[in-house]
Amino acid sequence: QKEVEQDPGPLSVPEGAIVSLNCTYSNSAFQYFMWYRQYSRKGPELLMYTYSSGNKEDGRFTAQVDKSSKYISLFIRDSQPSDSATYLCAMTPDNYGQNFVFGPGTRLSVLP
Amino acid sequence: NAGVMQNPRHLVRRRGQEARLRCSPMKGHSHVYWYRQLPEEGLKFMVYLQKENIIDESGMPKERFSAEFPKEGPSILRIQQVVRGDSAAYFCASSPNVASGSHEQFFGPGTRLTVL
Repeated sequence: QKEVEQDPGPLSVPEGAIVSLNCTYSNSAFQYFMWYRQYSRKGPELLMYTYSSGNKEDGRFTAQVDKSSKYISLFIRDSQPSDSATYLCAMTPDNYGQNFVFGPGTRLSVLP
Repeated sequence: NAGVMQNPRHLVRRRGQEARLRCSPMKGHSHVYWYRQLPEEGLKFMVYLQKENIIDESGMPKERFSAEFPKEGPSILRIQQVVRGDSAAYFCASSPNVASGSHEQFFGPGTRLTVL
């Protein structure tokens, strides 16, 4: 079993739809959870950062962490064609910002 | 405030040559991480450095790969005697000093290495 699993997609949705992206993980020591957006042939860009369980909202984006289920989600409301990208989840167990483990990414296409 | 800078953006090497990839972290960041990304795969951690120190190189291949982050200048990822399997995108990320409480990593645009 991989340490972090993520459906690779591609996921295609119409403009304006609510998008749900998910990751599952096996290491219960993970405490810090991040979502990155990566456009084609570009570097990942940090979208959301959460610590432990709970929800965090930033504009159209909401991140949820359920540590009991080892499951994290990213919701995108009112999706736009500009949201078309690959979304990577990442997580780390420690306070030192190292030992990041990334999921393989989900490719999202938002169709106008 | 400039972001993480990497150069070159594209690098072509023949088998057996050396590849040198450079990374300048964001201003004020003292931690540098190198990752490799193969097509359709996630980012794989390679090495974590602070100035003049390698903190964690558990993701680095045992041979041909080395990394440094000198007191002055950029971090360098060096691949000796490249092989076709080294072809990938190599990303550098930086983060602030851990005392700041931030664990976020900020990525550069990557260097795409092609080995012919």
